This record gives sequence, C-alpha cells and structure tokens, in this order.
Amino acid sequence: NAGVTQTPKFRVLKTGQSMTLLCAQDMNHEYMYWYRQDPGMGLRLIHYSVGEGTTAKGEVPDGYNVSRLKKQNFLLGLESAAPSQTSVYFCASTRRVLWRGYTFGSGTRLTVV
Amino acid sequence: EDQVTQSPEALRLQEGESSSLNCSYTVSGLRGLFWYRQDPGKGPEFLFTLYSAGEEKEKERLKATLTKKESFLHITAPKPEDSATYLCAVRGQGAQKLVFGQGTRLTINP
Repeated sequence: NAGVTQTPKFRVLKTGQSMTLLCAQDMNHEYMYWYRQDPGMGLRLIHYSVGEGTTAKGEVPDGYNVSRLKKQNFLLGLESAAPSQTSVYFCASTRRVLWRGYTFGSGTRLTVV
Repeated sequence: EDQVTQSPEALRLQEGESSSLNCSYTVSGLRGLFWYRQDPGKGPEFLFTLYSAGEEKEKERLKATLTKKESFLHITAPKPEDSATYLCAVRGQGAQKLVFGQGTRLTINP
C-alpha cells in the first residue's frame, strides 16, 4: 500500500499564479484533510472532507479552495498565490469508524516569490 | 475551543539522559490524545493514542501517559536516532478533526 501520496513534492510559484496540489490515498478512508505547517505555528487546518462530494472550512481557509470528487482524492487549489502561502502542506486521511488518528503524506514544499 | 500547548519548544539532551515532554490540553470531552513523531522533511508518523486518564502506552524508549489536563511523553535512555519533532494532538467530542500543538524539537547528542 502506498498510503497517502502528495504531488508535487516541491514547487516554486510567482505571486498571482495558480496551482493545484493533489492528495491520493489508497486506504479507503472517508475523511481527508489539508494542513499547512509553518515554523513556530504548528499544523493548521485549511480544509477537510468527511466524504466524497463534501468539504468544510478549517482554521485558515482564506485563499484556498478544495474539491473531493472521488473518495480517494482530495485537491487543494490556490487561485492567486501570495507570498504568505509559502509553507509546507500536508495531506492526511483517516477512517470514519473506529477513528485511529491520521495517516499523513510526505508533504509539498511550496515557495511563492 | 480545543487547545493544545506543548513544552518545551526545544530540548537538547545527551545520549542516555532521560527526560519528559509535556502536552497540556483543553478540550470538550476528550475522544483521544495523539502523539506523532516528525523527522525533517517528512510527514508526521503516528506513535500513540490515549483515551482516558491513567492510561499509559509504551514503544521502545518512549512511554506516553495521560491525565485529565496533560500528557507526558517520557523518553528513557534516548539515542541520537530519537532526535525529531514530537507533536501532540487532541480530538474533542463530536469533532471530525485533530487540533495540534506546536511541537517539541528534541535533539539527542551522542
């Protein structure tokens, strides 16, 4: 099993450009999450999904959009990147029943210049 | 609002020098306290889940304990390979997500 796979692993964007981060899981998990991790700030929740076709806002949703068209995929979009969105982005997933905590991807390091 | 505070922010130990990391939390109806290990450039890796006060779990040189207000991650006779950032997170009643602390960066010198 691959677990949770994030693509790309690294990306440099210019201010105003757009991009989509892809998260794919092969564990049949219902719940999926996008976090950002910044020095001294810990992991902060951007958006999450509790099932195919559903999404919800987290702690820091501004400037991001998400979609969950298929159960195994959760996409994070930046419509107009800003330097403040320079961060490491982590995707995570977990199952609905007998909740056991997250399985994380390996992260995407995004730099906006 | 659920909150998690970890201390210290950073801890440097000599190999074999035992110590503890602290995770203080406030949550409405604890449904789980989670410990993760994160190595540089990688995603967090699950270590333990604790559900009720008094519960303890062990894995190699690590032992996690839980009270009604805090959790401790005890590390006994650490080795350099135990160097990592340790994250604590809680899940409250009815919550579908975890709230994380800022982490403790642990360095073990040989």
